[in-house]
Amino acid sequence: KAGVTQTPRYLIKTRGQQVTLSCSPISGHRSVSWYQQTPGQGLQFLFEYFSETQRNKGNFPGRFSGRQFSNSRSEMNVSTLELGDSALYLCASSFLAGPARELFFGEGSRLTVL
Amino acid sequence: GNSVTQMEGPVTLSEEAFLTINCTYTATGYPSLFWYVQYPGEGLQLLLKATKADDKGSNKGFEATYRKETTSFHLEKGSVQVSDSAVYFCALSPAQGGSEKLVFGKGTKLTVNP
Repeated sequence: KAGVTQTPRYLIKTRGQQVTLSCSPISGHRSVSWYQQTPGQGLQFLFEYFSETQRNKGNFPGRFSGRQFSNSRSEMNVSTLELGDSALYLCASSFLAGPARELFFGEGSRLTVL
Repeated sequence: GNSVTQMEGPVTLSEEAFLTINCTYTATGYPSLFWYVQYPGEGLQLLLKATKADDKGSNKGFEATYRKETTSFHLEKGSVQVSDSAVYFCALSPAQGGSEKLVFGKGTKLTVNP
């Protein structure tokens, strides 16, 4: 069974550009969450989607957005990139929604903003 | 609000030493508690979890007990191996809202030397 797949794995952008990251969850998983990981702030929750609906959103500016498609694949977009957006962006999926469900994480997309 | 505090690293141990990584939390109600592990270059993996007070989660020789009275979920292992070298994250999932949102601690890097 394939795991959570994130693309691209590495990317370099310059300030002011935008970026789109993709996440393919484990087959059959309908819930997808996104996290930002930085050395200073650690892991911070970005959004959560279930059956194409955003269920929860973290405390990030409106430049960060996401969506989920009918096949459960998800994308997140960051517009007008800032240096501080450099981070590892992790996607996680789970079969059901609920607070005690195990999340399965991808290896992440490492974004560097110059 | 909800928060997780775990001991600062890095932690360096010799093989077969005893490991404790402290984790305390602040939350309303009865959150679910988790330990995730991140091996170098990989995404996070669930190590163990506990969903109610006095539950003990265990996996791969690691254990943690959900202590409501001390709001703690300390991770322990009796005899660590070189292969346990990784970053360990304590996390909670709020009791309410049916959300997948996880609140993570900052992580503790463990290095085990042969």
